[in-house]
Amino acid sequence: DGGITQSPKYLFRKEGQNVTLSCEQNLNHDAMYWYRQDPGQGLRLIYYSQIVNDFQKGDIAEGYSVSREKKESFPLTVTSAQKNPTAFYLCASHGQGLNYEQYFGPGTRLTVT
Amino acid sequence: GQQLNQSPQSMFIQEGEDVSMNCTSSSIFNTWLWYKQEPGEGPVLLIALYKAGELTSNGRLTAQFGITRKDSFLNISASIPSDVGIYFCAGRENAGNNRKLIWGLGTSLGVNP
Repeated sequence: DGGITQSPKYLFRKEGQNVTLSCEQNLNHDAMYWYRQDPGQGLRLIYYSQIVNDFQKGDIAEGYSVSREKKESFPLTVTSAQKNPTAFYLCASHGQGLNYEQYFGPGTRLTVT
Repeated sequence: GQQLNQSPQSMFIQEGEDVSMNCTSSSIFNTWLWYKQEPGEGPVLLIALYKAGELTSNGRLTAQFGITRKDSFLNISASIPSDVGIYFCAGRENAGNNRKLIWGLGTSLGVNP
């Protein structure tokens, strides 16, 4: 089945450690996105990539980094510079063309203590 | 970043009642989307609207693209317990392949059986 995989579903880390969240899609989509979701704040865009080897900062990129070496994969690293990393992280993708909209993965809940 | 004004913030209704929620923007959009998110999962696209005045249905859900292009509403008829979740509106200002979206903060819906 085609879809987006985010793993793991729950992730726990100690403060000061970098952590990488996985996002893989087999939909042959060109564009991929990372969002952060906090209670009552909706979805906030961290980074997005429209093609391989290219990505742009979203509204809250500070403390995060990404790479896009393969079309299928768009990993997000939460660095120790991110002051409030505990959140629900969502990955999305879409194909080319006017009627392709963002399709979301199941999310990863990151807890940093 | 810019956010849409979505209301109500939350609502709790009896099973069988109709529900209405809306979203407004300070700028003109060429696309309005409505997503539903269940607890611990990623948002799922319900309805996409691409033309001012467009009225589109998906089962018991109906959404409209406002004529001014600055608002949209979503109606749910004859609600059932599985309608519970957070409903997000999202809009896009630009045409073309840039699918970057502006999001509302969501309407949390509870349904009493």
